[in-house]
Amino acid sequence: GAGVSQSPRYKVAKRGQDVALRCDPISGHVSLFWYQQALGQGPEFLTYFQNEAQLDKSGLPSDRFFAERPEGSVSTLKIQRTQQEDSAVYLCASSDRTSGGTDTQYFGPGTRLTVL
Amino acid sequence: RKEVEQDPGPFNVPEGATVAFNCTYSNSASQSFFWYRQDCRKEPKLLMSVYSSGNEDGRFTAQLNRASQYISLLIRDSKLSDSATYLCVVHPLNDYKLSFGAGTTVTVRA
Repeated sequence: GAGVSQSPRYKVAKRGQDVALRCDPISGHVSLFWYQQALGQGPEFLTYFQNEAQLDKSGLPSDRFFAERPEGSVSTLKIQRTQQEDSAVYLCASSDRTSGGTDTQYFGPGTRLTVL
Repeated sequence: RKEVEQDPGPFNVPEGATVAFNCTYSNSASQSFFWYRQDCRKEPKLLMSVYSSGNEDGRFTAQLNRASQYISLLIRDSKLSDSATYLCVVHPLNDYKLSFGAGTTVTVRA
């Protein structure tokens, strides 16, 4: 079946530009996560949605980062006024278990963002 | 101190060799443990869960030591296709976030 998809796969932005990254989770999955993976590091948690509700955004690095999931399926991570330190792979994951569960998280292929 | 620490490697081993590596975690409330595999420029994929009693999946054996707060992964009879970065992952009780280590790189050579 279809897995988690993300678009674009690669994005190059000039410093100061706004970008929007899209995630299509596995159909029916309640939970959706965004992670940021810097080169040579493991993924770091950014934010979590249960359906359309953003239950945790504690990992977002600054107020330039904003995420939404208005209809409880597709999610968008927006970064305003991009900076060079925002360059990373942004991974989306989904799970069919609600918060507190330990169900497997399935990852999308990621969006590789390069800020020049 | 990071929540999950791993030896970054790289571990360079010949085909057929056994390779083992550990990770340590700091949150004693961690409840679930996993090893994920990540190929170059690909997404992480679940390799196996780690249970208190230890578990095997083919050539892969995972062990958990709660008292010392470390997890290990052993790969027997290494194949070229085992070359990847192995991410140690912990999941605290009643939480949804996964905490990842930085990964251990394994390269299996012919």
